[in-house]
Amino acid sequence: RKEVEQDPGPFNVPEGATVAFNCTYSNSASQSFFWYRQDCRKEPKLLMSVYSSGNEDGRFTAQLNRASQYISLLIRDSKLSDSATYLCVVKGGGFKTIFGAGTRLFVKA
Amino acid sequence: DTEVTQTPKHLVMGMTNKKSLKCEQHMGHRAMYWYKQKAKKPPELMFVYSYEKLSINESVPSRFSPECPNSSLLNLHLHALQPEDSALYLCASSQEGAGSGANVLTFGAGSRLTVL
Repeated sequence: RKEVEQDPGPFNVPEGATVAFNCTYSNSASQSFFWYRQDCRKEPKLLMSVYSSGNEDGRFTAQLNRASQYISLLIRDSKLSDSATYLCVVKGGGFKTIFGAGTRLFVKA
Repeated sequence: DTEVTQTPKHLVMGMTNKKSLKCEQHMGHRAMYWYKQKAKKPPELMFVYSYEKLSINESVPSRFSPECPNSSLLNLHLHALQPEDSALYLCASSQEGAGSGANVLTFGAGSRLTVL
């Protein structure tokens, strides 16, 4: 089993749609959780950290369920500029930070 | 502009060459990382330095040799690489500890390596 698993992509959605990405992790001792965004041929950039209480940043909402070892990202009112690969990232104790395989999102006009 | 600077942006080398990738950050972060990313794959952790000491080596072949001269610099020395080592090499840094922003990786733009 992979340490971090994500929904297979790609997701093709029209502008304005709501899209949800899911991620599961295997190490119950994991301590920090993030969603990163990566554009083609660019470096990953932090989209948002994920907290147990859930957190929202504009059109983006992230949720963490520690009991189920499950992380989600919801994007509302999708924009063309949201087209990218979304990476679920989990950090255990120490410095080991593991990336999921990523989910590609294509938002079309 | 990224706060983690990597040089060179592009590197082409032969299998007998010796080259180095360089990474610099001035955010006061005490953990620095090397990741390798192949096309359409996620970044794979190679090495982690914490307070200038090697903390993690993910069983990386010895033809990759990391070095951390000081808390702001991280190098990756390359020798006798194979064509399958061609990839984007990403450097990252993080501020460890508690508080917002802790443990968040900040990446450089990467060094795209081609081994002929």
